[in-house]
Amino acid sequence: GENVEQHPSTLSVQEGDSAVIKCTYSDSASNYFPWYKQELGKRPQLIIDIRSNVGEKKDQRIAVTLNKTAKHFSLHITETQPEDSAVYFCAALNAGKSTFGDGTTLTVKP
Amino acid sequence: ETGVTQTPRHLVMGMTNKKSLKCEQHLGHNAMYWYKQSAKKPLELMFVYSLEERVENNSVPSRFSPECPNSSHLFLHLHTLQPEDSALYLCASSQVGSYNEQFFGPGTRLTVL
Repeated sequence: GENVEQHPSTLSVQEGDSAVIKCTYSDSASNYFPWYKQELGKRPQLIIDIRSNVGEKKDQRIAVTLNKTAKHFSLHITETQPEDSAVYFCAALNAGKSTFGDGTTLTVKP
Repeated sequence: ETGVTQTPRHLVMGMTNKKSLKCEQHLGHNAMYWYKQSAKKPLELMFVYSLEERVENNSVPSRFSPECPNSSHLFLHLHTLQPEDSALYLCASSQVGSYNEQFFGPGTRLTVL
C-alpha cells in the first residue's frame, strides 16, 4: 500500500519568514495530493491541492510543488503570520483511498 | 446544520460497554470515511464507504463495526474497546472520484476507561 512520509514533524519560524514542508510517497499510481490545515481543537480543512498532471499550484501565500519522478511534493508558505500556526497534513490519494502523512506542527512566532 | 456533523462530541465508556458514534453529512456527497486521530498516528484511515458500500477496511479490529445505511449517514459501533482505543474519531465525506476534497466533521473525543 501507499506510504507517505512528512518532514519536519515540527517547524518554528519567525513571522514574515517562509515555511516549507515536504512529503514523499511510495505509490506511483497516486494522482492527487491535498494539504490540510488543522488548528488546535478544530477539524482538518483543505488549504490547497495538486493533481498529478500539474507541477505547481499557487494560491496567494501558499503554493504546492510536485515532482512525480522523485515522488515528492512540498507545501510552501510565504510571509508567515501567527494565524498560520497549526498542524499541516499532506496526503496522497489513489483511486479515492487517502494516506496521510504524520503531520507538521508549524509555529509562527510574532 | 450544514457540512459534516458528528455526535456525540465527547464519549467516555468502559471496556464492556457498547456505544455508537454517528456522522451525518449535508453536502450531497456519496463517499464517507472514518479516521482515528491519536498522538501515535495523527490521521489513520479506518473505513471507507463509497456509494453506501464498504470499499476499504484498513485492518481495523472487529471491535469497531461501521454501518452506512444511506449516503448521508455513517455510524461506528463500538464494543469491548481497549484503553488504547481512546482517541479523536473523525468522520469525513466527499464526492466519489480521484480528485475530491474530503470535508471533515468536528470529531468525537472517545475515552475508554
